[in-house]
Amino acid sequence: SQQGEEDPQALSIQEGENATMNCSYKTSINNLQWYRQNSGRGLVHLILIRSNEREKHSGRLRVTLDTSKKSSSLLITASRAADTASYFCATRAMDSSYKLIFGSGTRLLVRP
Amino acid sequence: DAGVIQSPRHEVTEMGQEVTLRCKPISGHDYLFWYRQTMMRGLELLIYFNNNVPIDDSGMPEDRFSAKMPNASFSTLKIQPSEPRDSAVYFCASNWGGETQYFGPGTRLLVL
Repeated sequence: SQQGEEDPQALSIQEGENATMNCSYKTSINNLQWYRQNSGRGLVHLILIRSNEREKHSGRLRVTLDTSKKSSSLLITASRAADTASYFCATRAMDSSYKLIFGSGTRLLVRP
Repeated sequence: DAGVIQSPRHEVTEMGQEVTLRCKPISGHDYLFWYRQTMMRGLELLIYFNNNVPIDDSGMPEDRFSAKMPNASFSTLKIQPSEPRDSAVYFCASNWGGETQYFGPGTRLLVL
């Protein structure tokens, strides 16, 4: 079963706008990761945020984590057509397992 | 490095046939993961290995599925006999230390 639920399921924006995707999860986590999947391709890791971190940046990406609300958000600033893809959050539990549980994903369309 | 390699990229088979999916992880990686992705269930972890040893196979759907990792550079996922509901994209991923995962391009399986 999926740990994370993502919101919205689909998002359509104009190039240059910011895109925000949200992820909620159910259990205590060690870390939370975001991945991108282009159509017909494998997933690509974007960023990892640990449970003791609240915000992290990587280029045009900004991730926040609120462990009290069990939620995270991914912000892509100044979006480009090449950002069109599905975005997934994935959580690693607090136990020693290295399992990642993936959310249902957000399909992002950036219109040129 | 060539990345995670999966073969075949596409497989069409008839119900009841045996299907074998193959994966070559990135050299030096000590974890290998098998996932299945469908529209209905999203991305599900089937099984993962550490140093060629299966650690968690709780996601394997049923006895028709089996996975092996005879050495550090090769793993197989076998379905015998296959059923139409096994149609999905199967991904292999690998990493070292258990954090960020590197995904292969996937095998798109269609069981008629």
